Amino acid sequence: QLQLQESGPGLVKPSETLSLTCTVSGGFISSSTYYWGWIRQPPGKGLEWIGSIYYSGSTHYNPSLKSRVTISVDTSNNQFSLKLSSVTAADTAVYYCVRPYSSGLLQPFDIWGQGTMVTVSS
Amino acid sequence: QSALTQPASVSGSPGQSITISCTGTSSDVGSYNLVSWYQQHPGKAPKLMIFEVSKLPSGLSSRFSGSKSGNTASLTISGLQAEDEADYYCCSYAFSSTAWLFGGGTKVTVL
Repeated sequence: QLQLQESGPGLVKPSETLSLTCTVSGGFISSSTYYWGWIRQPPGKGLEWIGSIYYSGSTHYNPSLKSRVTISVDTSNNQFSLKLSSVTAADTAVYYCVRPYSSGLLQPFDIWGQGTMVTVSS
Repeated sequence: QSALTQPASVSGSPGQSITISCTGTSSDVGSYNLVSWYQQHPGKAPKLMIFEVSKLPSGLSSRFSGSKSGNTASLTISGLQAEDEADYYCCSYAFSSTAWLFGGGTKVTVL
C-alpha cells in the first residue's frame, strides 16, 4: 500500500526558505506515471494547491506561488521535495504531499501524507 | 477569498439527505468535468470522495454522489450518518489560470 510521509523543519524564519521532503513507500516514483504534488492548509482555513512534479522532472506550479516555489524529484531515494522562498507568516500552514488517483496531469488527489505543520516566525 | 464558493455550513438529521453546492465560473467548474470533492475530519488529511463530478473512488460508500449544472457542482450525502460530520471541500481545475482551485470548505453537522 502506497504511503507518503512529509518531513522537514517545523519552524522557519521570515524571509528564509521553507524546505520539505516527501518520502514514498510501498511503491516507486520512477516506475509510475503520476504527477506527485504539494497542497497546504493554513490553520483553520481551506486548501491551496502548490504544485506538482512528474517523475521525469516536469513541473506544474500554482501561478500565485510560482515565483517562490521549486519542486524537485529524487528517484534514487524515492522522494520529492518542496522549496518555498521568502516566506512570511502567511505561509504558515500544514503542508501535505499527495499522489493523484490516476496517471496524467489533470487527476484528483487520492493519496495524502499525514501533513506537517510549518510555522513561519522569528 | 476562495476561488470556488461553498456555503460555510450545512446540517441535517441522521438518515436525511443534504446537498453542498460549489459555485465557480465557466473557466473552472463550468468547463470540462474536473470537479472533485474531499472530506476532512479534524486533525486528519483530506480524503477523496468524488472525482470527475460524479465518479466514486473504489470502496467508497454510494451514499455520496455528485452532479453539476452549469458553473455549480453539488455533493449529496444520502442517509446522513454521524461519521459524515466533517469539513467538505470542492476542487476544480481552472484552465484560465492552469491551476487547481479549492472551495472555502463546508462544515457538515449531523444534528
